[in-house]
Amino acid sequence: QVQLVESGGGVVQSGRSLRLSCAASGFTFSFYGMHWVRQAPGKGLEWVAVIWYDGGIKYYADSVKGRFTISRDNSKNTLYLQMNSLRAEDTAVYYCARWGGSDIVEKLDYWGQGTLVAVSS
Amino acid sequence: DIQMTQSPSPLSASVGDRVTITCQASQDIGNHLNWYQQKPGKAPKLLIYDASNLEVGVPSRFSGSGSGTYFTFTISSLQPDDIATYYCQQYNNVRRTFGPGTTVDFK
Repeated sequence: QVQLVESGGGVVQSGRSLRLSCAASGFTFSFYGMHWVRQAPGKGLEWVAVIWYDGGIKYYADSVKGRFTISRDNSKNTLYLQMNSLRAEDTAVYYCARWGGSDIVEKLDYWGQGTLVAVSS
Repeated sequence: DIQMTQSPSPLSASVGDRVTITCQASQDIGNHLNWYQQKPGKAPKLLIYDASNLEVGVPSRFSGSGSGTYFTFTISSLQPDDIATYYCQQYNNVRRTFGPGTTVDFK
């Protein structure tokens, strides 16, 4: 069965860096685009970034552009989110999600359990 | 970026009620809209994709409709397990965006 397991979260000081990982199993990882979505405590969902199946195309939310980098290693079935220059407002649970559907129909059909990032000032 | 709004929030209803949530986009997104359910402490779950398509395994009491800028999500007969927050999400723009969410609870 499809599984996505995030790791790498924790408490970090403002201005520092952190790298999140999302280990995928149960499907052919290299066939699917992937997303990161975050949720600040008590708040709604915020889309963060997307990467195409081959890593060739990436897009970011304005709130993280220039500070966060999404990447993937298809040989390791793993998605990453490198987060630099962290701010208090980056505090959130970070979810990875699979881009199901097709080239024209995009649905986030499987999600990980999330990993908490807490940025302290 | 495309802004998404949802109403009402919150929404209070009784078991068996028909519940409808609306989602509006700041510009035409065709039918590039999904609906998710999230329960406290859990990851979101996909319910409806491409505005009106029911995801496999999702009960048929859930439905979606709309296109362009106006969309609706309906629970035909509210069940206790449906108490959750519901989000719409557009994927017409390269920067995807979610609505603010609608929390559904019991009266």
